Amino acid sequence: QKEVEQDPGPLSVPEGAIVSLNCTYSNSAFQYFMWYRQYSRKGPELLMYTYSSGNKEDGRFTAQVDKSSKYISLFIRDSQPSDSATYLCAMIDMYSGGGADGLTFGKGTHLIIQP
Amino acid sequence: DTAVSQTPKYLVTQMGNDKSIKCEQNLGHDTMYWYKQDSKKFLKIMFSYNNKELIINETVPNRFSPKSPDKAHLNLHINSLELGDSAVYFCASSKRTSGPGWEQYFGPGTRLTVT
Repeated sequence: QKEVEQDPGPLSVPEGAIVSLNCTYSNSAFQYFMWYRQYSRKGPELLMYTYSSGNKEDGRFTAQVDKSSKYISLFIRDSQPSDSATYLCAMIDMYSGGGADGLTFGKGTHLIIQP
Repeated sequence: DTAVSQTPKYLVTQMGNDKSIKCEQNLGHDTMYWYKQDSKKFLKIMFSYNNKELIINETVPNRFSPKSPDKAHLNLHINSLELGDSAVYFCASSKRTSGPGWEQYFGPGTRLTVT
């Protein structure tokens, strides 16, 4: 069983729609949960991170973590064509070796916002 | 003032050659990483380096070796290149901040093509 599962898409929605992106994971030791955005031929860019369970909001983006279900989500409100990119979830256990194991990534969801 | 920089951006070489990719970060981060992104866009940790401690992903062939001359640099040497090494290699650095804070930045990537 893969550690982090993420639907690769593509997910195509009209401009202005609310987008929901999700990941599930199996390692209960993860404490930090991240969402990265990656444009074509660019490096991943950290959008948001959440520590443990709960919600976090930043502008049009909301990240949710449910550790009991091992399920994380990213919501994008009022989606724009410029949001079209691949969105990667990632997580890390910072307390085992100080995060030396690095991030475990999902495979990424390719999101297309239609004008 | 790029946070994490990599050189070269593109690298085309023949099978059997030895090559190096350089990475530098000017963020004062204490942990640096190398990730590999394959043709299916899956990002996977290869190495992390923290205060002279090297953590190696067990799936990485020993033809790959990281070298850290100082805290701001983590270079990647690859010996006897194989076709399957073709991928995009990302350097990253991270630091835990106050509270349960976390920041990580990726470099722009080095696209390696082995012919």
